[in-house]
Amino acid sequence: GAGVSQSPSNKVTEKGKDVELRCDPISGHTALYWYRQSLGQGLEFLIYFQGNSAPDKSGLPSDRFSAERTGGSVSTLTIQRTQQEDSAVYLCASSLPGGPNYGYTFGSGTRLTVV
Amino acid sequence: AQSVTQLDSQVPVFEEAPVELRCNYSSSVSVYLFWYVQYPNQGLQLLLKYLSGSTLVKGINGFEAEFNKSQTSFHLRKPSVHISDTAEYFCAVSGVDTDKLIFGTGTRLQVFP
Repeated sequence: GAGVSQSPSNKVTEKGKDVELRCDPISGHTALYWYRQSLGQGLEFLIYFQGNSAPDKSGLPSDRFSAERTGGSVSTLTIQRTQQEDSAVYLCASSLPGGPNYGYTFGSGTRLTVV
Repeated sequence: AQSVTQLDSQVPVFEEAPVELRCNYSSSVSVYLFWYVQYPNQGLQLLLKYLSGSTLVKGINGFEAEFNKSQTSFHLRKPSVHISDTAEYFCAVSGVDTDKLIFGTGTRLQVFP
């Protein structure tokens, strides 16, 4: 596609439910990143995929968070047993290899609200 | 590991005035530096980046930034702002040994008429 596509754009869920957030990167971008944007917290790195290499999961805040990337393209971020502190905008970005050199392209994000 | 500090959470300024948004970083290796902008209800866009070479980097919409290695800074400047520059600005850093970008907490630039 022309840009990074994220779905849903908004998600309201009850505390304790599981949610799945989807990211479709730009075709040909081998690197894919997930960030979380909370009010006053900036962008918090969550996880990074590069080609067929093992993902960098160092930013995942707890074992309730997981992500996968199928076929080197679409990625799904899953949050299990959601808590109110999980409420945030979840941003996906993709880039060519050598990522920052080319700049990331960000999606518009999924706004998650846990009630 | 890298870190970024944006000391100013909000910067109010009148239209046509100059502005500087401050960014300081910390890293044990050489770095690449970036400024991203997020307009209201929009995604993040790359404003400019420093990879190597000239320490003064020019970006879109009349913005520029200067890499100062001795002060570990990468401040963003614009000589004359417009109402349309109202947005959230994020400084970001990556080490030359990684593809991972670390972002600051952002600075909200509010331009008043």
